[in-house]
Amino acid sequence: GAVVSQHPSRVICKSGTSVKIECRSLDFQATTMFWYRQFPKQSLMLMATSNEGSKATYEQGVEKDKFLINHASLTLSTLTVTSAHPEDSSFYICSARGTRATDTQYFGPGTRLTVL
Amino acid sequence: EDQVTQSPEALRLQEGESSSLNCSYTVSGLRGLFWYRQDPGKGPEFLFTLYSAGEEKEKERLKATLTKKESFLHITAPKPEDSATYLCAVHPTGGFKTIFGAGTRLFVKA
Repeated sequence: GAVVSQHPSRVICKSGTSVKIECRSLDFQATTMFWYRQFPKQSLMLMATSNEGSKATYEQGVEKDKFLINHASLTLSTLTVTSAHPEDSSFYICSARGTRATDTQYFGPGTRLTVL
Repeated sequence: EDQVTQSPEALRLQEGESSSLNCSYTVSGLRGLFWYRQDPGKGPEFLFTLYSAGEEKEKERLKATLTKKESFLHITAPKPEDSATYLCAVHPTGGFKTIFGAGTRLFVKA
């Protein structure tokens, strides 16, 4: 199956700093990429959807200025958590979907963010 | 409103005890229905895509089926390594987003 990578897999940062998470589709072109947040023992919470070359569409309640998303190419999307606070600590997962609307969504391995 | 409901929330089985997980969905039109497996601390792993009612797909001990209102994930003679959370998701027509169910946590005891 298709492979999606995420980097870093784990990051610890101090409160007030910014953290960038990269998501790459390694063997296919991803027209659409998604960023999710997941709390312990809960399901995925969609944060935003991005299409290559366009501005991201954020879900209700997600702060655009805090969670900056860039989808610069068909294989790379980045999520930057700006001025991180302890409440931003979570498991962040990206996923990517190919160029056809019926394509399957493949997920990255996730990034565990801990803000001290 | 498009919706996906999975049941049960949790399922405990003995090794070898076959069972099924249910995914009921309400959408105006269906582009695809997906099943994923998620282990703790990892991203969801793709299992199956189903596109139309009557379709079935199999992989090892897992078999996914689809009707116009629901999908089943049948697990035959499960093993402890099948323990995970199984997620169902639908991609409705006319939208970018995939809608996920809350998942079924499966525990298989040796």
